[in-house]
Amino acid sequence: GAGVSQTPSNKVTEKGKYVELRCDPISGHTALYWYRQSLGQGPEFLIYFQGTGAADDSGLPNDRFFAVRPEGSVSTLKIQRTERGDSAVYLCASSLTPTGRGGYNEQFFGPGTRLTVL
Amino acid sequence: GESVGLHLPTLSVQEGDNSIINCAYSNSASDYFIWYKQESGKGPQFIIDIRSNMDKRQGQRVTVLLNKTVKHLSLQIAATQPGDSAVYFCAENNERGGSEKLVFGKGTKLTVNP
Repeated sequence: GAGVSQTPSNKVTEKGKYVELRCDPISGHTALYWYRQSLGQGPEFLIYFQGTGAADDSGLPNDRFFAVRPEGSVSTLKIQRTERGDSAVYLCASSLTPTGRGGYNEQFFGPGTRLTVL
Repeated sequence: GESVGLHLPTLSVQEGDNSIINCAYSNSASDYFIWYKQESGKGPQFIIDIRSNMDKRQGQRVTVLLNKTVKHLSLQIAATQPGDSAVYFCAENNERGGSEKLVFGKGTKLTVNP
């Protein structure tokens, strides 16, 4: 079946520009997560949605980062005034129910969007 | 604070040998520990998880060991194959703390030589 998909797969932008990264979770998955992975590092948590609401946005590095999930399915990660330090792979994951509720619920990851800020 | 790390950044083994990948963690409140495999250009793929009240769990060709006394986690891969070459991450989840996120370590790159 279809897994988590992310578009675009690659995005090159200039410093100061605005970018949007899209995530299509597995159909029926209520929980959606965004992570950021720098070269040679493990993924770092950014934000978690349960349904339409952002239940935990503690990982967003600053107010230039924002994410939405208006209909409880597709999510968009938005980055304003991009900086070179934002260059990374942005990973999206989804799980059927929130991870950890009544047992570990696997987070299924998409292939990521590689963002390069010049 | 929370941190999950790895002892070795790289591991090279011969095809058919057993592999052991190690991980140290510092958050004793974590409920679950999970191993993910990440191939180049792909997202992490779930391998196996273990709950904090267990010390061993086996899957297909993989075994995870949890030593809470020394806060150590290991992944054992039996009869390692070339397709096992990837970066392996341990991660933890703190359900009791109300957190849904995974905290990942830096990863170990496993190379399987034919």
